[in-house]
Amino acid sequence: AQSVSQHNHHVILSEAASLELGCNYSYGGTVNLFWYVQYPGQHLQLLLKYFSGDPLVKGIKGFEAEFIKSKFSFNLRKPSVQWSDTAEYFCAVNVDNQGGKLIFGQGTELSVKP
Amino acid sequence: DAGVIQSPRHEVTEMGQEVTLRCKPISGHNSLFWYRQTMMRGLELLIYFNNNVPIDDSGMPEDRFSAKMPNASFSTLKIQPSEPRDSAVYFCASSLEGNTEAFFGQGTRLTVV
Repeated sequence: AQSVSQHNHHVILSEAASLELGCNYSYGGTVNLFWYVQYPGQHLQLLLKYFSGDPLVKGIKGFEAEFIKSKFSFNLRKPSVQWSDTAEYFCAVNVDNQGGKLIFGQGTELSVKP
Repeated sequence: DAGVIQSPRHEVTEMGQEVTLRCKPISGHNSLFWYRQTMMRGLELLIYFNNNVPIDDSGMPEDRFSAKMPNASFSTLKIQPSEPRDSAVYFCASSLEGNTEAFFGQGTRLTVV
């Protein structure tokens, strides 16, 4: 069965630090990959997505992610975090060409200290 | 567009009662998804519909759970009878059919006491 693994459960950073959140998935075929963010008490919002093409994907709010097929990875990065980036981040995949049918990772809680 | 609209936002009910969660997808979207979020299990897909037809309900935990989509603009998720372990945040999402992103509602926080 397909699965998604996020390496870190809780990351604490100071403002202006660089961020990298790990995500690995298990599936041998074609996948579509997503990162969602959930601010405290809010719904899930799409940060970025990868369907095909350039493996380096840029999203909203200065986030980017790189799809490395050989490593089954889709890590999320941001060069300089802000206090407002405090949230929970979810990596997700879909394999059925049905964009909303997602398998989510466990989530990584990011706390940014001002 | 108002986005995906869920109601109620919060629901507190007693064990054994029937609970109905509601969802209005984004107009024009023809796929609808129900997810459950808990601390223990994270985000899980319960069921999804394409063009009002249930396609995959393998994530529905028990027969106590049922979902309907009587038309393109409305879906319900019902739990009868409810149990304390059903306490969770339930999200509805919608998308265009096929390989497109899903948009999530604000969620319904259900507490069963």
